[in-house]
Amino acid sequence: EAGVVQSPRYKIIEKKQPVAFWCNPISGHNTLYWYLQNLGQGPELLIRYENEEAVDDSQLPKDRFSAERLKGVDSTLKIQPAELGDSAVYLCASSLAGDGFEQFFGPGTRLTVL
Amino acid sequence: GENVEQHPSTLSVQEGDSAVIKCTYSDSASNYFPWYKQELGKRPQLIIDIRSNVGEKKDQRIAVTLNKTAKHFSLHITETQPEDSAVYFCASKAAGNKLTFGGGTRVLVKP
Repeated sequence: EAGVVQSPRYKIIEKKQPVAFWCNPISGHNTLYWYLQNLGQGPELLIRYENEEAVDDSQLPKDRFSAERLKGVDSTLKIQPAELGDSAVYLCASSLAGDGFEQFFGPGTRLTVL
Repeated sequence: GENVEQHPSTLSVQEGDSAVIKCTYSDSASNYFPWYKQELGKRPQLIIDIRSNVGEKKDQRIAVTLNKTAKHFSLHITETQPEDSAVYFCASKAAGNKLTFGGGTRVLVKP
């Protein structure tokens, strides 16, 4: 089966510019996660979707970050405006159910903010 | 919230030897413990997981053990090969179905 797809794989922007990342989960997976991974660290959850509903966004910095999953399939994560500290890898993951078991990750988008 | 500590941060082993990575967690309600392998520039790959109703699980050369009383779990890799070189992350799932990851262990298998 096809895995989680993310684009772009790499993005370089100037600070204060907007940026968006796209994710398409594994077919049939109702739960979608966005994680942030800083260099040398483990992933940290930003937001979790059950179908089109954001059920856990407590770690999402809502002043500059937003996300949507309008039709309950693919999702977009946006940062506006980007700051230097946002440089990291943004990982998307999906799982079949909302119980958190067996999460499968995409390849990530490596963001560099100059 | 949940806190996961992972040790060691780096591990160098000779090819053919065993490697052991240990993690501790803080939330006694945690019920799921996956392990991910991440090669440089690649996605984290789920390699094995264990649920809280099981004490040990094995898949070929890798195994995971869980001690719920002590709140720690370990990854064991036997007969290590150069392709086992990567960063390994443990994680635990507590209330809210949220995975909390450890800080990672960089494993280097020397031929």
